[in-house]
Amino acid sequence: TQLLEQSPQFLSIQEGENLTVYCNSSSVFSSLQWYRQEPGEGPVLLVTVVTGGEVKKLKRLTFQFGDARKDSSLHITAAQPGDTGLYLCAPRQGKLIFGTGTRLQVFP
Amino acid sequence: DVKVTQSSRYLVKRTGEKVFLECVQDMDHENMFWYRQDPGLGLRLIYFSYDVKMKEKGDIPEGYSVSREKKERFSLILESASTNQTSMYLCASSYQVATNEKLFFGSGTQLSVL
Repeated sequence: TQLLEQSPQFLSIQEGENLTVYCNSSSVFSSLQWYRQEPGEGPVLLVTVVTGGEVKKLKRLTFQFGDARKDSSLHITAAQPGDTGLYLCAPRQGKLIFGTGTRLQVFP
Repeated sequence: DVKVTQSSRYLVKRTGEKVFLECVQDMDHENMFWYRQDPGLGLRLIYFSYDVKMKEKGDIPEGYSVSREKKERFSLILESASTNQTSMYLCASSYQVATNEKLFFGSGTQLSVL
C-alpha cells in the first residue's frame, strides 16, 4: 500500500501564527485534493489542484501543487482556533488515496 | 447537501463476532467507499463499489467483505472480528468516476473489538 508522507505529523501553534504543511510523494499525479477533518467528523474537501505549479487560495489558506505534480503544500496565514483539525492530502491517479495527515492544534 | 449516514457512531464487539457496518447516502451517487483510519496511517481503502452489486477490492480487503444490494446502501462486513480491526471506519460516496470527483464522508464508526 502506498503511503503518502505529510509533514509535520503534528503541529501545535498559537492563534495568529503562520504555518505550512507538506504532502510529498515520488509519483506523479493527475490532480490532488486537500481535505480537513474536524474532531468527530468525516473529512471535508477544501480544494482540488490540477495543473503543475497551480496556486489556489481559500480565504487564509493557500494551496500549491508542485511543478512536477509530485508534491503539494498548504499555507495558513494568521491561524485561528477554527483551523484546528486533521489536514489530509489526497493525490489522484486512478483511485483516491490519502496521505498520513497533519494534525493541527491552534490555541487561543 | 449530500448526506452520508453511518448507522453507529460507536460499536463494541467481541473477537469472533460477525459485524455489520451500514452506510446510506441520499444523493443518488454511483460510487461508494469504505476506509479505515488509524493514527499515523491516514485513510486506507478497504473496498469500493461503482454500481449496485458491483464491488472492487481496495488496498486492505483481507478480513472484510461488502454488500451493495441497493444504490444508496453500502455495507461493510467483518466476518469474524479480530482485535486488529479496532479502528475508525469511514464511509464515503461520490457522483461519478472522474479525476476530480469530490468525496462526501460520513461521520465515522469507531469500532472496538475486545
